[in-house]
Order: sequence, then C-alpha cells, then structure tokens
Amino acid sequence: DIQMTQSPSSLSASVGDRVTITCRASQSISDYLNWYQQKPGIAPKVLISAASSLQSGVPSRFSGSGSGTDFTLTISSLQLEDFATYYCQQSYSTPYSFGQGTKLEIK
Amino acid sequence: QVQLQESGPRLVKPSQTLSLTCTVSGASVTDDHYYWSWIRQPAGKGLEWIGRVYAPARTTYNPSLKSRVLISADTSKNQFSLQLTSATAADTAVYYCARASLGFRNWFDSWGQGTLVTVSS
Repeated sequence: DIQMTQSPSSLSASVGDRVTITCRASQSISDYLNWYQQKPGIAPKVLISAASSLQSGVPSRFSGSGSGTDFTLTISSLQLEDFATYYCQQSYSTPYSFGQGTKLEIK
Repeated sequence: QVQLQESGPRLVKPSQTLSLTCTVSGASVTDDHYYWSWIRQPAGKGLEWIGRVYAPARTTYNPSLKSRVLISADTSKNQFSLQLTSATAADTAVYYCARASLGFRNWFDSWGQGTLVTVSS
C-alpha cells in the first residue's frame, strides 16, 4: 500500500500570506495526486487533480506541483474562506490513500 | 448535476452489520465511466477509502477491511450499498459515498453529505 505523508499537520497563517503544504508518497506515483479542501461538517471538495490541474471554479490562488514522490499545494494569498483542512490523495493504485491532513488556522 | 445521498441506521450494535445505501441522482451507477466508492472519516481524523463498485458489479476493496466489506449496486434503484460486518467501536465514523472517473488520473468529484454511524451498545 502507498502511504501519503503531509507536512505540516497544522499551520497558522494570516490573511494575505502565501502558504505551502507538502505531501510525500512512499513510492513514485507519477502525477496521480489530488488535493482536497474540507471544512467542518462538510464533505471534501477537490481543488486540484493530476498534481497541477486546477478544478473548474477553484480560485487561481490555489496551485499544485510535483511528480514522483513529492508534491506541494500552494495558496498564493490566503483568504478568510481558505481556513480549512487540506488532504492529498493518490490515485496511482488501490487502496487509494489520503494524507493525514493539514489544518490551516488563522493566526 | 450529480447528487449522492447516504442513508441507513445511525446506530449499530457491536458485532452487528453496518449497512448504508447511497442514492445517486443526475448520473447512473451503470455508467462504466465511473467508480462509486465508500470513504469514511472517524471524528477528528483523516479519510480512509473503503472500496468501490463499478461496471456495475465489479468491486475493489481496501485490504484492511476486505474480510468484512461488501459493496454492491442496485441498478433498478440507481443506488449502491455498503455492508460492514462484525462492527466495532473502531468503525464509528462519518461515512461518505463518492464518485470518481475511471482511469489512473481520477479523483472524487462528487460526494454525499456524509452520515455519522456510531457503533455502540
């Protein structure tokens, strides 16, 4: 099974900050990596697929990069609505697996 | 626009079977372009993929749960279901149903709202 490890587990930041979240796979997964945003009590929402493809309707301040084992999600200028928990997920092989999550909190 | 809705008992006794159904609208569970999955999330924790059904009777399960899981589709009702046998407190979680497109570059593009199932006597 492929293990996904995110860092940091939590992050405090301010509106307007640039934030980067890292996700590492236990083996190469090419670019089969997705990023989700989850707010309390709500199902996750996909932000980025295939490592760097922004989903329709997702603000351009979100971007993704990486290939192989190391990936990043960047939010260029944090907005109030971005404070949430973010998960990476590999679709390279089953069982699909998620990172443990990164909780982004207001400083 | 596709919508998914979970339903089923919210309280299950230990050792009994946890059963949930996902009703799909705006898409068909017989559409062989999609996988239909169950995912769960214990309170305050991360997401765990349970398994999927597609095509419409092929299944893939997470090995960590494989011995206890059955996922099936009811094409006449446009639903798919989860059965998890021998439930324990560790199975207490919010359960989501979700859709992903077929292929390697797939992602969960539609989710149900989630339903909290508690395993307790």
